[in-house]
Amino acid sequence: DAGVIQSPRHEVTEMGQEVTLRCKPISGHNSLFWYRQTMMRGLELLIYFNNNVPIDDSGMPEDRFSAKMPNASFSTLKIQPSEPRDSAVYFCASTRSANYGYTFGSGTRLTVV
Amino acid sequence: GENVEQHPSTLSVQEGDSAVIKCTYSDSASNYFPWYKQELGKGPQLIIDIRSNVGEKKDQRIAVTLNKTAKHFSLHITETQPEDSAVYFCAASVSGNQFYFGTGTSLTVIP
Repeated sequence: DAGVIQSPRHEVTEMGQEVTLRCKPISGHNSLFWYRQTMMRGLELLIYFNNNVPIDDSGMPEDRFSAKMPNASFSTLKIQPSEPRDSAVYFCASTRSANYGYTFGSGTRLTVV
Repeated sequence: GENVEQHPSTLSVQEGDSAVIKCTYSDSASNYFPWYKQELGKGPQLIIDIRSNVGEKKDQRIAVTLNKTAKHFSLHITETQPEDSAVYFCAASVSGNQFYFGTGTSLTVIP
C-alpha cells in the first residue's frame, strides 16, 4: 500500500498563475478530502467527495478554487488565478468509509509570490 | 456545526514523564474521535481513535479517554520519548465522514 500520493510536493508560482494539485487516494477508499493547513487557521476542510461525487464544498474559499474527481483513483484541486494568500500546505486524505480515520498524504506546500 | 477546542497549544515535558492533551466538542451527536500526530514536513498520521460507545482505549504508551456527558476527550502519553515530539490534533466526527479538527498541540519532549 503506497498510501495517499500527492504531487507536487512543493510548488512555487507567481500571482495570477494557475496551480493544479494532484492526489491519488488509497485503492478501495471511497471518500476523499482536500484540506488546507496554515498557522493562522489550522486544518481547514475545503471539499470532500464520496464515490467520486462532491458532497460538501462549503469550505472552498472562493470561485478561484475548484476540485474534480473524474475517477476513484485521481483528484485535482485547481486555483485560478492564484494569490499570495493561497500560500499554505494542501493535504489530500482518503478513507474507506464513515467513522474510520483518514489517511493523509504528505501534502503540497504551495507558495504564491 | 461542530466546534472542537484543544488545550494546551504547547506542551513541554521531560523525557519519561507523561503528557496529557485535552479537547472539548460542542455537538452531542459526535460519535467518533480520532487523534493525529504530525511530524515536521509530513501529513497528520492517525495514532489512536475512540468511538462514543467506549470510555477508554489504550495502545501501548498511548491512551484516550472520552467523557460523553461533559463532551470532552483526552490523549495520554506515558513514558514520553524524544520521538514523541510533534504536533498532535484531536478531531470529532458528527456525520461520520467530515472531521472537525482542534487547533493542535505542539509537544516537545526534553531529553
